[in-house]
Amino acid sequence: AQKITQTQPGMFVQEKEAVTLDCTYDTSDQSYGLFWYKQPSSGEMIFLIYQGSYDEQNATEGRYSLNFQKARKSANLVISASQLGDSAMYFCAMRGTQTGANNLFFGTGTRLTVIP
Amino acid sequence: KAGVTQTPRYLIKTRGQQVTLSCSPISGHRSVSWYQQTPGQGLQFLFEYFSETQRNKGNFPGRFSGRQFSNSRSEMNVSTLELGDSALYLCASSLYRDSRFYTFGSGTRLTVV
Repeated sequence: AQKITQTQPGMFVQEKEAVTLDCTYDTSDQSYGLFWYKQPSSGEMIFLIYQGSYDEQNATEGRYSLNFQKARKSANLVISASQLGDSAMYFCAMRGTQTGANNLFFGTGTRLTVIP
Repeated sequence: KAGVTQTPRYLIKTRGQQVTLSCSPISGHRSVSWYQQTPGQGLQFLFEYFSETQRNKGNFPGRFSGRQFSNSRSEMNVSTLELGDSALYLCASSLYRDSRFYTFGSGTRLTVV
């Protein structure tokens, strides 16, 4: 079974600074995918970045990068140059592929607050 | 293009009643998945539909059911509501059965009193 752990319930960051949100995972699948989503107060989940377990390079999408350390089973999200609009809940998620299931398993989330 | 539309946005129901939530996927998307989000249990997968067939189901009691229509619109139904069913219900659609390409709706916030 898949399990995602996010140990930081809340984080604060100064505007324009970088911040790292932690995520560790556990799975017996050899092939899997890791995701980060942002959830503002409006409720919708906004996709940020994806990392496949066989991807050799860390994923990057604009100001977002994923620090993937397979041996440590960690997939930390790095947000560079934080903006006030980055204040939101952030969820790490995993999809297993071996069983053919398509659903995501989510962590408990980290609430990020960007301070002006 | 229009995103994933969930209706209603907010809903208040009484214990014991039943409720139906609707999800209209992005045009052309054939896969619809539902998730429940509560403060206590977090985000949990409910079920997935593709081409009008349930493909996968999470660990929820039989009071939770769903269906998908030929136009890919999906509904989920909760019968005999309990206080613990109060949650944000999120729907996600994708072209094929691939959660890498999920687009989520804004959710329906259900309150059971």
